[in-house]
Amino acid sequence: DGGITQSPKYLFRKEGQNVTLSCEQNLNHDAMYWYRQDPGQGLRLIYYSQIVNDFQKGDIAEGYSVSREKKESFPLTVTSAQKNPTAFYLCASSINLLGLNTEAFFGQGTRLTVV
Amino acid sequence: QQPVQSPQAVILREGEDAVINCSSSKALYSVHWYRQKHGEAPVFLMILLKGGEQKGHEKISASIKKKKQQSSLYLTASQLSYSGTYFCGTEGAGGGADGLTFGKGTHLIIQP
Repeated sequence: DGGITQSPKYLFRKEGQNVTLSCEQNLNHDAMYWYRQDPGQGLRLIYYSQIVNDFQKGDIAEGYSVSREKKESFPLTVTSAQKNPTAFYLCASSINLLGLNTEAFFGQGTRLTVV
Repeated sequence: QQPVQSPQAVILREGEDAVINCSSSKALYSVHWYRQKHGEAPVFLMILLKGGEQKGHEKISASIKKKKQQSSLYLTASQLSYSGTYFCGTEGAGGGADGLTFGKGTHLIIQP
């Protein structure tokens, strides 16, 4: 079955530590995205990537970093510079980005709690 | 800028109709609608393109107004399974070069 997989589902980290969230897709999609979801805020775009080895900042990229070394993978690192990292993180992919009129497929999310 | 959704929340009885609105400050290339159940991933419902074309999976209709800055999602004869949070995602007139910008969501509760 094709899909998009995020791991882990729950993640706890101490304040000041970097943490990497995994996102893998086997849909052969070119475009991938990271969104952050907070209660009452909807989904806010962190980073997105159109092709391998290229990515762009979204609306709230500060304190985050990404890489796109393979088409299937788009990991997100939450750095110690992110002031309020506790949130629900969603990864998504779509066939292509330019002329985006196709649906986005979302992973099940990772709930990050920083203590 | 995030599109503005209204209402923020609505409670209905099973079988009643609902309308959820999405308003953007800029001209739109397309509007996407997703539904999210608590703790789950958002699920695609529909895309409306600027020419009025629709692409969707479920028996849910939507419209995009002539000004192309507003969209409405129509849920008719609502079922208990329609409960969840509905998000609109907008794509600017320049195409998808900067991804989708989502609204804050509309919480829909369907009661028996």
